[in-house]
Amino acid sequence: DSGVTQTPKHLITATGQRVTLRCSPRSGDLSVYWYQQSLDQGLQFLIQYYNGEERAKGNILERFSAQQFPDLHSELNLSSLELGDSALYFCASSVGPAGTSGVDQETQYFGPGTRLLVL
Amino acid sequence: DQQVKQNSPSLSVQEGRISILNCDYTNSMFDYFLWYKKYPAEGPTFLISISSIKDKNEDGRFTVFLNKSAKHLSLHIVPSQPGDSAVYFCAASAYNNNDMRFGAGTRLTVKP
Repeated sequence: DSGVTQTPKHLITATGQRVTLRCSPRSGDLSVYWYQQSLDQGLQFLIQYYNGEERAKGNILERFSAQQFPDLHSELNLSSLELGDSALYFCASSVGPAGTSGVDQETQYFGPGTRLLVL
Repeated sequence: DQQVKQNSPSLSVQEGRISILNCDYTNSMFDYFLWYKKYPAEGPTFLISISSIKDKNEDGRFTVFLNKSAKHLSLHIVPSQPGDSAVYFCAASAYNNNDMRFGAGTRLTVKP
C-alpha cells in the first residue's frame, strides 16, 4: 500500500459525458501527479500540482482539467469523453517538486489507479 | 516524442538467473532515473532510483547501472524470483522539471 488513494476504482460512462477522478496523496506529500496509461502505452504524464498550484503540464488535452484543493487532495476532470479516453488513470504523489533538496523529494508513489471505460 | 524507450516489450528468464532490463533516453537534460514495478490491477511501485552523479546504485537483489555517455540505463535483478514477474517501467526527469517521462514498460516473466 503506497498510501495514495484513488476513487473510484472503476468507471464506465458514455461518450460525451463528464467524469471526475479523485486522488488523496500520501500524508505529508505536497505534490500530486496525474498519468494516463492506455492499452500497450507507457505512462503519459498529464499534469502536476504542488501545494495547490499547477506546477507542470504534460500531454493533457484541453478537455481535461485538474485541481488540487487546500487539503491537498486532487481531482482530474475529464469532459466530452471519447472512446479513446478509455484508459487507466494513475495519481502519484511526492514530498516536493523536482529541484528541492534531495532526490528523495522527487520519488513518486502511485495510487492503484482508476480504470475508465468510455462506451 | 518518446524520450524514454524500453525496446524490449517482454523478457523471460529462469528462476535464479539474472534479469537485465534496458532503457534508453534521448534527453541529455535528464538527471534522475527511476525504475517502477507494476503488477496487474495495481499502481506502479517505486523500485530503485539513480541520479546522474552516480553510475551504479544497488539495493538488495536490484542494481541500476547508468551510462550517461550512451544515454542508457539498465536494471539487474539477481537472482530472479517468480515474484519478480511484473511490468517494469523506466522513468526519467530533469532537474527542476517535474515532467517525468516513462518508457512503455517491459514485461518480465520469471519461470520456476
